[in-house]
Amino acid sequence: GDSVTQMEGPVTLSEEAFLTINCTYTATGYPSLFWYVQYPGEGLQLLLKATKADDKGSNKGFEATYRKETTSFHLEKGSVQVSDSAVYFCALSYSGGGADGLTFGKGTHLIIQP
Amino acid sequence: NAGVMQNPRHLVRRRGQEARLRCSPMKGHSHVYWYRQLPEEGLKFMVYLQKENIIDESGMPKERFSAEFPKEGPSILRIQQVVRGDSAAYFCASSRGRDEQFFGPGTRLTVL
Repeated sequence: GDSVTQMEGPVTLSEEAFLTINCTYTATGYPSLFWYVQYPGEGLQLLLKATKADDKGSNKGFEATYRKETTSFHLEKGSVQVSDSAVYFCALSYSGGGADGLTFGKGTHLIIQP
Repeated sequence: NAGVMQNPRHLVRRRGQEARLRCSPMKGHSHVYWYRQLPEEGLKFMVYLQKENIIDESGMPKERFSAEFPKEGPSILRIQQVVRGDSAAYFCASSRGRDEQFFGPGTRLTVL
């Protein structure tokens, strides 16, 4: 079946550091890929998505590129802030995000220190 | 435009009791999804419903769990005869169709 694997956390960085959170996937078809963010006590919010190979999703300074050849969708940000501290989930689905259940990774807890 | 509403936010039940979790989708959304997040785990898809229909329940445990989304009112996830292993955060999401899923804040179920 389909699966998503993320790097284990927590990931602790200093403010203004460069961030990479690795995500790889196993899928039987050609899914859409997503990054969601969860702040403490809240539900998940869509951060960015890419629907086909070589697409780049971006939002709030975060970027991720859909790499079919390496089955990866790594999340990057050039300069993190304390407010980026949260849990980040990589996910896939076979639709644009609706009309299909999402398959999630286990999440990566990111801690940014001032 | 209010987001996805879930209630209660926290629910405590003793083993053997029933738990009812409610989800009101965003206005204009007719698709509802339920996910379960166990401690130290990611979210696991449970069930996908449209109004009065279950579309995909491939992630639902075979026993004790059921879900509905009636023509009027919220979607309900019902867990009968709860056990300690049911303790988790249960998230609901809604969508307009094949667009983005919007998530609620979750219900944290604790079984004593």
